[in-house]
Amino acid sequence: DAKTTQPPSMDCAEGRAANLPCNHSTISGNEYVYWYRQIHSQGPQYIIHGLKNNETNEMASLIITEDRKSSTLILPHATLRDTAVYYCIVRVYNNDMRFGAGTRLTVKP
Amino acid sequence: GAVVSQHPSWVICKSGTSVKIECRSLDFQATTMFWYRQFPKQSLMLMATSNEGSKATYEQGVEKDKFLINHASLTLSTLTVTSAHPEDSSFYICSARSGLATETQYFGPGTRLLVL
Repeated sequence: DAKTTQPPSMDCAEGRAANLPCNHSTISGNEYVYWYRQIHSQGPQYIIHGLKNNETNEMASLIITEDRKSSTLILPHATLRDTAVYYCIVRVYNNDMRFGAGTRLTVKP
Repeated sequence: GAVVSQHPSWVICKSGTSVKIECRSLDFQATTMFWYRQFPKQSLMLMATSNEGSKATYEQGVEKDKFLINHASLTLSTLTVTSAHPEDSSFYICSARSGLATETQYFGPGTRLLVL
């Protein structure tokens, strides 16, 4: 599976959009981009995933660049409860999830 | 999303004893289940993968005789930490995936193990 690069930490003001970048320049055509988050002392929570089209659900939006080498997770209106470590994972369909260091997002009042 | 539960949520045991952790998929059939371990301030590390009715596949460096995994049904997997030692103290998280087209992995809430 392709390796991902995420900034170690980010801050966001409450009520503003949080944009979390992920670089996956070695992604191959059959690899999906997944996003999970882990709130302190809990198991990871699935957020969203996509292959090449942008995706949106009730939690977030996923924007994947046309060359698929990077993506951005967007939390449209961040709240204090969105403070967590966010993991971007690239994997071939049906493979297991391997976690990197992720981005620690802190939402501030 | 699908729900995965774990029991117990935390356990304290004496060194040398064995501890069993249960992982259940509550609203879907999990053809594949995974066990992860997470030490403080570190990311999740995959320990093993199991398919229902088959022997688990362990990651390099994980002792299969120490971490016994049983995936006897499509909704239940267990992890037994045998002869636990203080260095086994960690946060253990299970994950499950159905055989459906989406193939998304869902995670349990985790079990915190403290070995004294």
